[in-house]
Amino acid sequence: DQQVKQNSPSLSVQEGRISILNCDYTNSMFDYFLWYKKYPAEGPTFLISISSIKDKNEDGRFTVFLNKSAKHLSLHIVPSQPGDSAVYFCAARDGNSGNTPLVFGKGTRLSVIA
Amino acid sequence: DVKVTQSSRYLVKRTGEKVFLECVQDMDHENMFWYRQDPGLGLRLIYFSYDVKMKEKGDIPEGYSVSREKKERFSLILESASTNQTSMYLCASSLSAVQHFGDGTRLSIL
Repeated sequence: DQQVKQNSPSLSVQEGRISILNCDYTNSMFDYFLWYKKYPAEGPTFLISISSIKDKNEDGRFTVFLNKSAKHLSLHIVPSQPGDSAVYFCAARDGNSGNTPLVFGKGTRLSVIA
Repeated sequence: DVKVTQSSRYLVKRTGEKVFLECVQDMDHENMFWYRQDPGLGLRLIYFSYDVKMKEKGDIPEGYSVSREKKERFSLILESASTNQTSMYLCASSLSAVQHFGDGTRLSIL
């Protein structure tokens, strides 16, 4: 059973507009959430994270929002640039289970069109 | 910067061969992980390790084994390679929640 779901396999956005990538989770014990970006033929790179005690974290053009009651988080990229075209993975950590690995979603492929 | 190095970017092997994928990290991280990435399936955890000589099964351990004799090195072993193990293999290490990934090994089994 998927604990972290990214329901949109792909997303296309015009350059300069906002990109919104969504992620839903089912495990209420998740206490830390991360977004990774992956280009083809490279490993994922860490982008931004948020603790469950916060509802927003911002880093330059990237903002992550967390809605715990809805078990939903989103990554906003403003403004979107062609170099943002990549696969984005949402991941979560179960804070109640000691040293467990991150749980990843299946990813959303973002295409930013010039 | 954390550096996670995977020994090969591309590898081609034959069915039935024993295959070794090597991963080395330079940040003295306790935790190391092996994933495979396939289209539409995301990142699937094969094995992980929290300490030298320790290993834990992930979601898809069948057909794989691992070795961690030194803290910085985590090896993934395909005991008898099969065509359904053709994939992108990714190694990661971490000290806390943030995992740092290598560039991956694209493995083709013919």
